Amino acid sequence: GAGVSQSPSNKVTEKGKDVELRCDPISGHTALYWYRQRLGQGLEFLIYFQGNSAPDKSGLPSDRFSAERTGESVSTLTIQRTQQEDSAVYLCASSPARNTGELFFGEGSRLTVL
Amino acid sequence: DQQVKQNSPSLSVQEGRISILNCDYTNSMFDYFLWYKKYPAEGPTFLISISSIKDKNEDGRFTVFLNKSAKHLSLHIVPSQPGDSAVYFCAPRGSKLIWGLGTSLAVNP
Repeated sequence: GAGVSQSPSNKVTEKGKDVELRCDPISGHTALYWYRQRLGQGLEFLIYFQGNSAPDKSGLPSDRFSAERTGESVSTLTIQRTQQEDSAVYLCASSPARNTGELFFGEGSRLTVL
Repeated sequence: DQQVKQNSPSLSVQEGRISILNCDYTNSMFDYFLWYKKYPAEGPTFLISISSIKDKNEDGRFTVFLNKSAKHLSLHIVPSQPGDSAVYFCAPRGSKLIWGLGTSLAVNP
């Protein structure tokens, strides 16, 4: 597709369950970011992938969070043993290499942990 | 440590008037800034940017001003239109930072 695609758009889960969120970046974009926005808070960086380099995981809030990316394509964000405070909109963004820094965002995955 | 702050959480203006959104930063090493616009239930979209070698960049109704000595940016929208109602974020390039809550702009017909 032409833009960043995220799925699912909405996910409701029970506390303690694992969830997987998927991001399909724009073709050719080597950089991929995951952010989350909890209710009433700003956009919070989680993890950054750039090509084949080791990812920058400095924003992951706990070891329950992990993310993978296959080459320069799809990325999956996994949250294990979800907690209520994980409820948020999870946004994925991609960016081409050596550009001006503009990020192209998907529409986000809204996660609700009951 | 939030290195970028938008101190006005909301702004309301009349259609046709000017909207001015402000952004302050603390890190003088930032060399490029981007403004994004976000509608509800959508991801942010890029709006306009400015390099630190400039103090102004204009694109149609949108102008961004940069005051490096004050570490301050502002986004001017003129004339404002109802479709401009959205949340606006400013972000430095290499945006791995917490962006903040942005400024929610409401343009009233």
